Amino acid sequence: ELKVEQNPLFLSMQEGKNYTIYCNYSTTSDRLYWYRQDPGKSLESLFVLLSNGAVKQEGRLMASLDTKARLSTLHITAAVHDLSATYFCAVDRTGTASKLTFGTGTRLQVTL
Amino acid sequence: EADIYQTPRYLVIGTGKKITLECSQTMGHDKMYWYQQDPGMELHLIHYSYGVNSTEKGDLSSESTVSRIRTEHFPLTLESARPSHTSQYLCASSELGQQTYTQYFGPGTRLTVL
Repeated sequence: ELKVEQNPLFLSMQEGKNYTIYCNYSTTSDRLYWYRQDPGKSLESLFVLLSNGAVKQEGRLMASLDTKARLSTLHITAAVHDLSATYFCAVDRTGTASKLTFGTGTRLQVTL
Repeated sequence: EADIYQTPRYLVIGTGKKITLECSQTMGHDKMYWYQQDPGMELHLIHYSYGVNSTEKGDLSSESTVSRIRTEHFPLTLESARPSHTSQYLCASSELGQQTYTQYFGPGTRLTVL
């Protein structure tokens, strides 16, 4: 059974600081997704990582994938309040994203 | 960007009622999904479909049923709602053959069963 673990589960950080969210998974997969969810809202796709060593960046967020270590990271650079949300990683078990296993989520709170 | 719609957005009903949660997408996506999410928790796949007349159960056992008669429509039905069904239900779709297979999510239906 595939397990996806994120840490930390909750992160409070000041504006301007850097931090990394980790996503570990238990079985082989070459495809990993990062989503953002604002309170009471749906999920917004952030990144799709398709192979070992993949790195994607959008604004202050950068995601990477190490399939050998079964680890993905979401790095936040110089955080701003607008980044406050819950971030989920999701691992593709089938190669066609027919079945995603989601992590527990990391609730990020950026304070002034 | 996919356009995917869910109705109702909020629903409060009594135990034993039959309900149908609607999900429609306008992108012509072949694959559609239903997830259940409790507040502050991860998403669990409860149903998915590869296309018309195709439905499969997901990882989380659910008493709900789904149908896929039209490509754009994937309703979820609870024959007799119970308080344990209280949760948020998210519908998603993705395109078969697209390299990234990104799933696009609807706004969700927040269900409360009294």
